[in-house]
Amino acid sequence: DIQMTQSPSTLSASVGDRVTITCRASQSISSWLAWYQQKPGKAPKLLIYEASSLESGVPSRFSGSGSGTEFTLTISSLHPDDFATYYCQQYNSYPYTFGQGTKLEI
Amino acid sequence: EVQLVESGGGLVQPGGSLRLSCAASGFTFSTYSISWVRQAPGKGLEWVSYISHTSTTKYYADSVKGRFTSSRDDAKNSAFLQMNSLRDEDTAVYYCARDVGYCSGGTCYRYFQDWGQGTLVIVSS
Repeated sequence: DIQMTQSPSTLSASVGDRVTITCRASQSISSWLAWYQQKPGKAPKLLIYEASSLESGVPSRFSGSGSGTEFTLTISSLHPDDFATYYCQQYNSYPYTFGQGTKLEI
Repeated sequence: EVQLVESGGGLVQPGGSLRLSCAASGFTFSTYSISWVRQAPGKGLEWVSYISHTSTTKYYADSVKGRFTSSRDDAKNSAFLQMNSLRDEDTAVYYCARDVGYCSGGTCYRYFQDWGQGTLVIVSS
């Protein structure tokens, strides 16, 4: 199975900050990586697919990059609504696997 | 608007069974594959199963293989997850998700574009 490792596990930031979350795959997954945002008690929401493609309706302050085994999610200027937990997920091969999550807090 | 609504969760004793349902609307259900993803209390996301749009291909996580079965009824725009021999560690919120993606050379790469609100399964005596 492909292991996905996110860092950091917790990230403290302020409104207006630029933040970056890293996701590493245990083997190459090309660009088959998605990022999701999850708020407490809610379902995950797709932000980015194919490593860098922005899902329709997602604000442009979110961006993704990377390929192979190293990927990043960047939020260019934090809004209050962005404080949530973020997960990466590889869909290169089954079983699809998620990172352990990064909690973005104030 | 795409909607996925899960139901069927509840409290069940270890060794028992439950059948989860995922009712879909707002898209042509018969042309999309469906996955199930779960989240144990306070934990991360775990992919559980996949069923193709034709029901001919199904995949399962090792943790549920042989105990869980995915199915679908396109006439009812619904997908199902039959869960047998439930264990304490199956306690989680279960989400169904609509898969979208790209296929090339017989291999498909799918991510989860839309999710239901989830249904809670508690396995406890």
